[in-house]
Amino acid sequence: DAGITQSPRHKVTETGTPVTLRCHQTENHRYMYWYRQDPGHGLRLIHYSYGVKDTDKGEVSDGYSVSRSKTEDFLLTLESATSSQTSVYFCAIRGGVDEKLFFGSGTQLSVL
Amino acid sequence: AQRVTQPEKLLSVFKGAPVELKCNYSYSGSPELFWYVQYSRQRLQLLLRHISRESIKGFTADLNKGETSFHLKKPFAQEEDSAMYYCALQGSQGNLIFGKGTKLSVKP
Repeated sequence: DAGITQSPRHKVTETGTPVTLRCHQTENHRYMYWYRQDPGHGLRLIHYSYGVKDTDKGEVSDGYSVSRSKTEDFLLTLESATSSQTSVYFCAIRGGVDEKLFFGSGTQLSVL
Repeated sequence: AQRVTQPEKLLSVFKGAPVELKCNYSYSGSPELFWYVQYSRQRLQLLLRHISRESIKGFTADLNKGETSFHLKKPFAQEEDSAMYYCALQGSQGNLIFGKGTKLSVKP
């Protein structure tokens, strides 16, 4: 699994509540990414990080924030969850000899 | 603009038939392209990348810069090939820009 885990695996929440998803890596890689996967849209980049406290926006960053206070953890926060944020969220790390992207198992988030 | 287009949402073939999943890209410069596969809502797995020119599970893909294409091919499909396939282009920050995906269904 390339040393990447996501938590929780599943979450159901209500509209308007804050939600935080966690991505944890054991490989000490510099680059980490958050994607969302939706039918008909494929995977779209939300935010990414290129080091501790270094983050930047992706294609669909509105309504999301991230934090990276240490190398191994990259947190994705939905400030006030909306139904349009119901999705499967994947974290990825970039590493290895050939700098490939490795993906976590995903978090299924339902916002009711 | 950097973009990946997979024109087919669904591709259905019979076992033993040839398969071609289409991918076109838009990128100024030398692109780095990948195919990822996702089985039954599992995590995405790298299938192959163009610079390695390898064959994984019988799949191959050739980069055609003239046609800006990176189609995935397999001469004889197997039932276990049924999955979602995503073509992806490496962006400037090392992120991947994905196409919308093609669901391959291989019927017995």
